[in-house]
Amino acid sequence: QKEVEQDPGPLSVPEGAIVSLNCTYSNSAFQYFMWYRQYSRKGPELLMYTYSSGNKEDGRFTAQVDKSSKYISLFIRDSQPSDSATYLCAMTGAGSYQLTFGKGTKLSVIP
Amino acid sequence: GAVVSQHPSWVICKSGTSVKIECRSLDFQATTMFWYRQFPKQSLMLMATSNEGSKATYEQGVEKDKFLINHASLTLSTLTVTSAHPEDSSFYICSAISGAGGQYEQYFGPGTRLTVT
Repeated sequence: QKEVEQDPGPLSVPEGAIVSLNCTYSNSAFQYFMWYRQYSRKGPELLMYTYSSGNKEDGRFTAQVDKSSKYISLFIRDSQPSDSATYLCAMTGAGSYQLTFGKGTKLSVIP
Repeated sequence: GAVVSQHPSWVICKSGTSVKIECRSLDFQATTMFWYRQFPKQSLMLMATSNEGSKATYEQGVEKDKFLINHASLTLSTLTVTSAHPEDSSFYICSAISGAGGQYEQYFGPGTRLTVT
């Protein structure tokens, strides 16, 4: 079993839709959870991070962490064509800088 | 936010030659830099952790004699792929953290696409 599982998609939604992206993980030591956005042939860009369980909202983006289920989510409201990218979840444990990434989900928002 | 650059952005080389990729933190001093490799439709795989002034720490399965890492200053780390082969063709991405940032503040470069013919 891989440490981090993420459905690679592709996921195609109409403009304005609510998008739900998810990852599951197996390592209970993970405490910091991040979502990165990666455009084609570019480096990842940090979108949001969450420490331990809970929700965090930033504009149209909401990150959720459920440590009891080892499940994290990223919701995008009012999706825009500019949101079309690959979204990577990443996580790490306390005191560690080493990130473990999911495979990424490719999202296309259709105008 | 902090900016990390990589050079070159794309390189093609012949099998058996060596290629050097540079990673620079432009507006902050990076105590630690990471090198990742990403194959098409795959996740980023950590290759090594590079600390300024010390030897890099390589992940299991990564040949340290093939992937030479030098972190000579707080703003520059280099990855040299020696005796490159077609299977080394990949997207190489570096990231950097500053000592002042939280552990989540890892800034990524734009990546270098290596094609070995």
